[in-house]
Amino acid sequence: GENVEQHPSTLSVQEGDSAVIKCTYSDSASNYFPWYKQELGKGPQLIIDIRSNVGEKKDQRIAVTLNKTAKHFSLHITETQPEDSAVYFCAASILGKLIFGQGTELSVKP
Amino acid sequence: KAGVTQTPRYLIKTRGQQVTLSCSPISGHRSVSWYQQTPGQGLQFLFEYFSETQRNKGNFPGRFSGRQFSNSRSEMNVSTLELGDSALYLCASSPARLAGVYEQFFGPGTRLTVL
Repeated sequence: GENVEQHPSTLSVQEGDSAVIKCTYSDSASNYFPWYKQELGKGPQLIIDIRSNVGEKKDQRIAVTLNKTAKHFSLHITETQPEDSAVYFCAASILGKLIFGQGTELSVKP
Repeated sequence: KAGVTQTPRYLIKTRGQQVTLSCSPISGHRSVSWYQQTPGQGLQFLFEYFSETQRNKGNFPGRFSGRQFSNSRSEMNVSTLELGDSALYLCASSPARLAGVYEQFFGPGTRLTVL
């Protein structure tokens, strides 16, 4: 069935370091891969996404890579800041339905 | 543009009752999806509505239902509430005209507690 696995579940980094979160999806029909950031008491916020015909996308300190053959995609945050602390979710879209990973709690220590 | 709004933000109900949650999508967006978020199961897709029609459905029992109005506003209903229905219910709107590769933007959610 449709499944997205996300690792690690928690990640602690020092301010200024990089953070990498990895996801694996099961359904080869998935064609859209968004990443969301969720802060306490708020809904998930779309931070970056990638479509299946693209291998990499970058937006300032955030980048996402996609390996369709291996069914892997990753989020890279460089020069982390305390305000990056939140829970991050990856997702894979199948016909508009988002299948989410279990989330990564990122903590950036000043 | 105003974001996705959900009302109410918090609800407390008792087992056996029913509840209706409301979602107003971003202006111009015609697709509304609903998700349930719990610590144990994470974020799970409930259903999607487009042009007042349910276009996609997740694996939830029939106690969970929804509808969409001509102005794209959507409601979801849970009947015969169970303790396990306690969750954050999230609504997401999308400009999608066809089911497929379109961004979804989430509201703040409705926190439902079932006692």
